[in-house]
Amino acid sequence: DSGVTQTPKHLITATGQRVTLRCSPRSGDLSVYWYQQSLDQGLQFLIQYYNGEERAKGNILERFSAQQFPDLHSELNLSSLELGDSALYFCASSVHLVADTQYFGPGTRLTVL
Amino acid sequence: AQKITQTQPGMFVQEKEAVTLDCTYDTSDQSYGLFWYKQPSSGEMIFLIYQGSYDEQNATEGRYSLNFQKARKSANLVISASQLGDSAMYFCAMREDMNYGGSQGNLIFGKGTKLSVKP
Repeated sequence: DSGVTQTPKHLITATGQRVTLRCSPRSGDLSVYWYQQSLDQGLQFLIQYYNGEERAKGNILERFSAQQFPDLHSELNLSSLELGDSALYFCASSVHLVADTQYFGPGTRLTVL
Repeated sequence: AQKITQTQPGMFVQEKEAVTLDCTYDTSDQSYGLFWYKQPSSGEMIFLIYQGSYDEQNATEGRYSLNFQKARKSANLVISASQLGDSAMYFCAMREDMNYGGSQGNLIFGKGTKLSVKP
């Protein structure tokens, strides 16, 4: 158990819908990362937050957004869902902004029908 | 060009034998970190081992060791005395520390190697 929690574990929804994925980092970790794992794209970095502020963006679609709250948990919002958004979404956390090991949560498997 | 290359899509190893999973990387940063993660069929990503670019000794963690050859830009994972529970996908990843292109420490992953341990 990495200490990172993600809910829900599975999510099935329809095209055009909006969903929210939640992540709680390990105790004491200030940095949260979101990654997407799909069969065709592999594991890709989406976005990073550090102590409540957005710090880096990767291959994140405009339909996706995220935030980190004062208690350091983070949410990833996915809207206008398409079939191609079906993937495993991971949250990872680390203590510092950079130069640190990232520990991954168990992931949320999103299926868009 | 790919930043992380794992050339072995799949590998088999006999139980109790050692196995090496290959990883080469491409970066112009002087400071970076290299990681290996294990993903069993259940889906979670498990951190195995880390090597910093300035570390002179190869990293070891129990049965895992990282064969770091900086000049060749390779960071191979060696698993000794393989166990059935080692059957999983293994991902090599790199973190570039110099904040080029907006990087703030995110990981860049290879496509993975599927390891199967035979009894």
